[in-house]
Amino acid sequence: GQSLEQPSEVTAVEGAIVQINCTYQTSGFYGLSWYQQHDGGAPTFLSYNALDGLEETGRFSSFLSRSDSYGYLLLQELQMKDSASYFCAVRGRDDKIIFGKGTRLHILP
Amino acid sequence: DGGITQSPKYLFRKEGQNVTLSCEQNLNHDAMYWYRQDPGQGLRLIYYSQIVNDFQKGDIAEGYSVSREKKESFPLTVTSAQKNPTAFYLCASKTGTSAYEQYFGPGTRLTVT
Repeated sequence: GQSLEQPSEVTAVEGAIVQINCTYQTSGFYGLSWYQQHDGGAPTFLSYNALDGLEETGRFSSFLSRSDSYGYLLLQELQMKDSASYFCAVRGRDDKIIFGKGTRLHILP
Repeated sequence: DGGITQSPKYLFRKEGQNVTLSCEQNLNHDAMYWYRQDPGQGLRLIYYSQIVNDFQKGDIAEGYSVSREKKESFPLTVTSAQKNPTAFYLCASKTGTSAYEQYFGPGTRLTVT
């Protein structure tokens, strides 16, 4: 089966950097994705890692270590609008995509 | 404009009734997914379809049914057998099996009393 673990909540200060971790278990691994969801809205895609290493997209970066079944999302220069829930998701066998329970990011001014 | 539409945004039903949630996409995507979201539970996969006339069960398929007769449509029926149907339902699609980015619809909030 597939399962993902990520912290339920993280708090950071505006302008700072925050890291959201994700560990996963899966039978068949094709990649780890990250999504952002604001309250009442739909998830939107942020980043994807299929290979080990760091992927950077503006203020957002994502890292993957397949040997450790671990990844993280790094958010830099935090802004108040980044207050949202962040989900990691694993793409596995037969294109099955499973999400973690999400990390609620609180940003303090 | 291309995108995914889900209707209605809010849906109310009495217990014991079946209800069908609509999901339509005009992105020409092959793969479509249904997720259920409850507070603190993240997104749980109900059913998914990689191609027309084919679909697979997700982790919580019991009490749900789907069909994929057309590429652009993937309706979800919540049956009376689903014990706790009240939830936020999200439909997503992506271009195909090699793609990784899912595009989500706005969701349908179903309340069963």
